Amino acid sequence: SAVISQKPSRDICQRGTSLTIQCQVDSQVTMMFWYRQQPGQSLTLIATANQGSEATYESGFVIDKFPISRPNLTFSTLTVSNMSPEDSSIYLCSVLMGQGTDTQYFGPGTRLTVL
Amino acid sequence: GNSVTQMEGPVTLSEEAFLTINCTYTATGYPSLFWYVQYPGEGLQLLLKATKADDKGSNKGFEATYRKETTSFHLEKGSVQVSDSAVYFCALSDKGSARQLTFGSGTQLTVLP
Repeated sequence: SAVISQKPSRDICQRGTSLTIQCQVDSQVTMMFWYRQQPGQSLTLIATANQGSEATYESGFVIDKFPISRPNLTFSTLTVSNMSPEDSSIYLCSVLMGQGTDTQYFGPGTRLTVL
Repeated sequence: GNSVTQMEGPVTLSEEAFLTINCTYTATGYPSLFWYVQYPGEGLQLLLKATKADDKGSNKGFEATYRKETTSFHLEKGSVQVSDSAVYFCALSDKGSARQLTFGSGTQLTVLP
């Protein structure tokens, strides 16, 4: 497995502002993903972060709201833009370590509260 | 599409009780199956996995067997501890190029001393 860190671990933000969440891995990984976990709910995939190209978004998520960057094989960011209270969630990144595996490892999550 | 149906919670047990959390799935092909655990205030940790029919995943006293005939992957533990209190998620990966995870709704387990 890999050591995955996320920053910030939690934040409280005002409506209408934006927050960028960072995900850092201690080794190169093939794939990185971003998930949202709304309060008391399961995880929903937001997008796959592609290295050097635009992210692939799932239905219901758009780039204007959740821009994602992945400049290299160990780092990605997710921005939650123009936030509203409905964006209050835990945001988690996950990684796949190699081409032949389908086991995802998760970061500790970023707990976001929007007032 | 793929889906995972998980036993509704919350589940409350006394210490040393037997645990079963049911999980069934719908998928095309032969997915890999996973159980993840989320302790309070933390991210998800991989608990165990199975990649093909009749495989048994095990870890920390937890077990689950990949049953293709019943499309199930039930989680069991013979004797739970207070420290097992957490939310448990069943998930599948379709092994396709996207290798995305589909999660069940999660089951909250509380173990009382």
